[in-house]
Amino acid sequence: AQSVTQPDIHITVSEGASLELRCNYSYGATPYLFWYVQSPGQGLQLLLKYFSGDTLVQGIKGFEAEFKRSQSSFNLRKPSVHWSDAAEYFCAVAAGGSNYKLTFGKGTLLTVNP
Amino acid sequence: NAGVTQTPKFQVLKTGQSMTLQCAQDMNHEYMSWYRQDPGMGLRLIHYSVGAGITDQGEVPNGYNVSRSTTEDFPLRLLSAAPSQTSVYFCASSTGLTGNTIYFGEGSWLTVV
Repeated sequence: AQSVTQPDIHITVSEGASLELRCNYSYGATPYLFWYVQSPGQGLQLLLKYFSGDTLVQGIKGFEAEFKRSQSSFNLRKPSVHWSDAAEYFCAVAAGGSNYKLTFGKGTLLTVNP
Repeated sequence: NAGVTQTPKFQVLKTGQSMTLQCAQDMNHEYMSWYRQDPGMGLRLIHYSVGAGITDQGEVPNGYNVSRSTTEDFPLRLLSAAPSQTSVYFCASSTGLTGNTIYFGEGSWLTVV
């Protein structure tokens, strides 16, 4: 069965600093990978997704992620964090090559200091 | 375009009561699913459907029933609520085609006392 590990439960960065959120997955075949963001009391918003092709994926709000098969990783990055980026971030992998059954990591809570 | 609509947004139940969380989508998506979100656990799949009349269990199906009589609707039923079912519930839909986006509803906050 597939699984996703987000090693960092909580990360704090200063506004304007760079950000990297880690995600490791376990899946036997080529994974479909996603990053979602959730603001407090809100639903999930898709930041970006990887299905195939270029391993560097650009998303919304200035985020990008790089798929590294050799490391089973799909880390999320942003060069300069804004206070509005404070939220919880979830990495997910799609089961069985589909994109309708997702396995989520436990999330990383991002705090942004002024 | 409403997307995925969940009702109610907030609900308090007593242990043993039953209720149904409603989910409707207006995008003609074949695939629909229910997740629950608990602190420190991320989201976990409860049940999913690949089309009208077809449902299957996810990771945490116990205590929940689903049915899919139409393409648009995918209700989640709690037959006898337990405090362990206190959670935030999300409905999602997609076409199921590779590369297409999965759309989530805004969530339903359920408390069982």
